[in-house]
Amino acid sequence: SQQGEEDPQALSIQEGENATMNCSYKTSINNLQWYRQNSGRGLVHLILIRSNEREKHSGRLRVTLDTSKKSSSLLITASRAADTASYFCATRPGGSYIPTFGRGTSLIVHP
Amino acid sequence: GAGVSQSPSNKVTEKGKDVELRCDPISGHTALYWYRQRLGQGLEFLIYFQGNSAPDKSGLPSDRFSAERTGESVSTLTIQRTQQEDSAVYLCASSITSGGAGETQYFGPGTRLLVL
Repeated sequence: SQQGEEDPQALSIQEGENATMNCSYKTSINNLQWYRQNSGRGLVHLILIRSNEREKHSGRLRVTLDTSKKSSSLLITASRAADTASYFCATRPGGSYIPTFGRGTSLIVHP
Repeated sequence: GAGVSQSPSNKVTEKGKDVELRCDPISGHTALYWYRQRLGQGLEFLIYFQGNSAPDKSGLPSDRFSAERTGESVSTLTIQRTQQEDSAVYLCASSITSGGAGETQYFGPGTRLLVL
């Protein structure tokens, strides 16, 4: 089974709206990362949040981490059509060097 | 500087043939990962190289899959006697290290493999 699972699997919104995606994981982690993937090609790193951090911002992105609930959320504010992509969370269980990815959230932003 | 590159971009092969996929990591990155991604699915870990250490092959799905990396340079993923179930996008990623501040992964564009 997946270490990280994104929710929802698909999200469709209008340009200008905010998009929120969630990630839940099973075991303790050192950090959690969010990636973006366009058109089934390579992933692009968005943001990394460490286990001792609760919130992090990068431009229009806001990531939160709740280690007690083993969950993270990615908020994209004022979405644009160019934000249309799949978003994945990746976790590295404590002691592991192998990041594991969820199945992703497919975001569609309608212009 | 140059990012991670992969070749070929697309590969169509017949069932039973062998294929070789290539990954050129970012110069200086000691860690290199191979993943497989089936259509609409997440990334499935295949193999991990860290410097000159023995690779972690725990994700390879069968003995038809193998990979090599010389030092901290190019890596090749070989699939022997391909099956239709091997059809997927094969992604390579590298990172400065495998832990700490340098573990952000940089992905190549992938090789889309279709086995007929």
